[in-house]
Formats: sequence, C-alpha cells, structure tokens
Amino acid sequence: GAVVSQHPSWVICKSGTSVKIECRSLDFQATTMFWYRQFPKQSLMLMATSNEGSKATYEQGVEKDKFLINHASLTLSTLTVTSAHPEDSSFYICSAKRQGTYTEAFFGQGTRLTVV
Amino acid sequence: AQTVTQSQPEMSVQEAETVTLSCTYDTSENNYYLFWYKQPPSRQMILVIRQEAYKQQNATENRFSVNFQKAAKSFSLKISDSQLGDTAMYFCAFYDMRFGAGTRLTVKP
Repeated sequence: GAVVSQHPSWVICKSGTSVKIECRSLDFQATTMFWYRQFPKQSLMLMATSNEGSKATYEQGVEKDKFLINHASLTLSTLTVTSAHPEDSSFYICSAKRQGTYTEAFFGQGTRLTVV
Repeated sequence: AQTVTQSQPEMSVQEAETVTLSCTYDTSENNYYLFWYKQPPSRQMILVIRQEAYKQQNATENRFSVNFQKAAKSFSLKISDSQLGDTAMYFCAFYDMRFGAGTRLTVKP
C-alpha cells in the first residue's frame, strides 16, 4: 500500500517561533502534495497544493509568507509555520498523490500544533 | 473551480442497517474522479471508494457502493450492513482534493 508519514504528530511551540512539519511518502513518488488545516468538527480546508520542484499554489486567503511550503523531492514536503501565534493552533494534515491527475491521495496521520 | 456540497451534517443508523450519504458537486469538466474518504476518531483519513466519471457503472467496494448520477452531478455513498466501526466523518472529494463539509455518521448498536 501507499504510506504517507507525517511528523511530528503533535508539537507545542511558543508564540513568535517557527515550527516545521514534515510529510513523507514512504513507498511511492509523490508528484503532488497537499496541505490542509482542520478545525474541530469541521472539514479539511485546503491550504496549498505543491508539485515537486515547483512553487506551491496557495488557496485564496492563505498567507504564503506565514505558511511556507517546500516540495523539494518526490518523497518529502514540508510546511513551516513562521512566527506562530495562538490562532495558528490547529490540526494540520498532508496528503500525497502519485503521478496522474486522477489518482487518489494518501494521507498522513496529521499534526496537532499548539501555540502558547 | 469545482465545488463539493454535503448537506447532511449528521446522520445515524442502527447496526446492520443501510444508510446513504449525499454529495453533490459542480464542475464544467467532463472527465474527472470523485472520492469518498472516511475519518474515524483517530483522524486518519482513509479512502473508501472512488468513481470515474466516464464509467457509467457505479463503483462498489464490499459493503460500500455509490450512486453516481453524472447529469445530476450527484455522488451518494451507500453503506450496507452498517458496523460500529463505520462510525466516522465521511467526506466527498473531487480529484483536485477539495472536500465537502462532511457528514458525521454514528452507527448505533
């Protein structure tokens, strides 16, 4: 099967610091990766879509200078929350797709970010 | 841009019974895929089933099946013989991985 590993599972950081979340496809090449934010009891809000080697495409309303996304290889994408504030506290999820527009995405287990 | 709409925030069903979750979408594309994902309390997203728009035959995966009506842009999920482990949030998604609002399904013993 296709496995996506997201790390860390949870992180607590101080307000004003930056935190990086990693998303790795363990057994396939992920040409496209997605980053989501999920508030309690709500749906997954797509933040950005990234293709390997290209700049991420951010959804409207998502601050690209605050949420830095890097997809430098076919197995790794990172989300860095810069100058984090308490309102950035949330559950962040990544997913990855193989090459091909219509393939399904496989999801990481998510990261619980708490900014204090 | 595609939109996906799930109009049932919560549903419940008795164990062993059948339940149908609704999803409608809007797109100008002719070829596309649609997906149903479930998110149990662990929050791990799991693919339930997918449907290719160019196929008229409805997809089936064991107890899960879809009713795909392309002209009506409807993509409902039917769960037969519901089990306690089916309790989860269910999300409908377009191939660009945009999700509907979700339906919280509770299977009651």
